[in-house]
Amino acid sequence: DAGVTQSPTHLIKTRGQQVTLRCSPKSGHDTVSWYQQALGQGPQFIFQYYEEEERQRGNFPDRFSGHQFPNYSSELNVNALLLGDSALYLCASTYPGVTDTQYFGPGTRLTVL
Amino acid sequence: SQQGEEDPQALSIQEGENATMNCSYKTSINNLQWYRQNSGRGLVHLILIRSNEREKHSGRLRVTLDTSKKSSSLLITASRAADTASYFCAIFTREGTYKYIFGTGTRLKVLA
Repeated sequence: DAGVTQSPTHLIKTRGQQVTLRCSPKSGHDTVSWYQQALGQGPQFIFQYYEEEERQRGNFPDRFSGHQFPNYSSELNVNALLLGDSALYLCASTYPGVTDTQYFGPGTRLTVL
Repeated sequence: SQQGEEDPQALSIQEGENATMNCSYKTSINNLQWYRQNSGRGLVHLILIRSNEREKHSGRLRVTLDTSKKSSSLLITASRAADTASYFCAIFTREGTYKYIFGTGTRLKVLA
């Protein structure tokens, strides 16, 4: 049973570019959340997707957008990249109806130059 | 901004000693969870304690929760070098819309 997977593992972009990160949830999970973790900090909630809709959102600008597909996989898109967007981006999934236990993927390390 | 704060920020102990880290938070919670993170990789779920529980054990881990003080502690007994990692508390709250709020983390180093 595969856990949460994310791609790519590492990514280097330049300021102003756009990036797409991908996440496949754990088998049987239907809800996907995205987090940004800056170096030396705890993860910060970006948004959550359920039934292909953004269900809730943290305090992130509209440059951060997402999508969930019918197979529950998800993408995180960031436009007009800033140096401050450099971080580890984590995806987490939860089982239907069980909202209080998340399973995390290994993350995508984004570096913006 | 993050509502969870952990202390100490960093902790260095000898193998075999116990490690205690604390988490404080500001909002009401449904549950509080502890996670481990090795070298900037993904988070591994360690233990969950619900708001109506006061103490929970899992192997060498012991978690306490004091909702009146809005604080929790994680005790790792008989630590091993493999326990070296960052440890985060995360509160699960239904204030507003439900969401997880992570603390700032404690970096634990266990010396062999």
